Amino acid sequence: DADVTQTPRNRITKTGKRIMLECSQTKGHDRMYWYRQDPGLGLQLIYYSFDVKDINKGEISDGYSVSRQAQAKFSLSLESAIPNQTALYFCATSDSGTGTDTQYFGPGTRLTVL
Amino acid sequence: DQQVKQNSPSLSVQEGRISILNCDYTNSMFDYFLWYKKYPAEGPTFLISISSIKDKNEDGRFTVFLNKSAKHLSLHIVPSQPGDSAVYFCAASPNAGNNRKLIWGLGTSLAVNP
Repeated sequence: DADVTQTPRNRITKTGKRIMLECSQTKGHDRMYWYRQDPGLGLQLIYYSFDVKDINKGEISDGYSVSRQAQAKFSLSLESAIPNQTALYFCATSDSGTGTDTQYFGPGTRLTVL
Repeated sequence: DQQVKQNSPSLSVQEGRISILNCDYTNSMFDYFLWYKKYPAEGPTFLISISSIKDKNEDGRFTVFLNKSAKHLSLHIVPSQPGDSAVYFCAASPNAGNNRKLIWGLGTSLAVNP
């Protein structure tokens, strides 16, 4: 079984709809991240959480919110989806105990907003 | 302002030859560097890393070189194989206490031709 899972893997929705993307991990890591990838723009950090009670905005948090329901779960919400939020979304985890900041990624969610 | 730069968007190499992927950074506070590999429709996977106290780290066919004075690192793949065709991301971590997160380059797409 994959260590970092994301659901759904693909989602098509309409402008104005609320969408939630979910991420779960079995790695026991304390830190979790949400990224989006657009063609030619690399990975952009949306939100990150260093523990259950810690939530931080990343580079492009506008239009997004997150919830860290447990150490193993970190969900990303689009309150009112718009077409320019069409992208690949990745969840990642890391272990602060290693001191190396190595992040481990889920398989991604392809979101299309019509 | 891009703190981690991968100036070559793409690279094409013959199977069996060496692939050299380059990465430059601007922040002298970066002290840990990572390379990730990404296939289409999958999440990035960790490949190799290097601490700023070293100038070389090797793992099988993959070697990362770090030149701190030039703020430059490179990933060498020898010999290159068709399965190495992917997008490679360089990432760096600043020595900023506990609030560390990765800063990403935009990626280089490597094509290894049979």
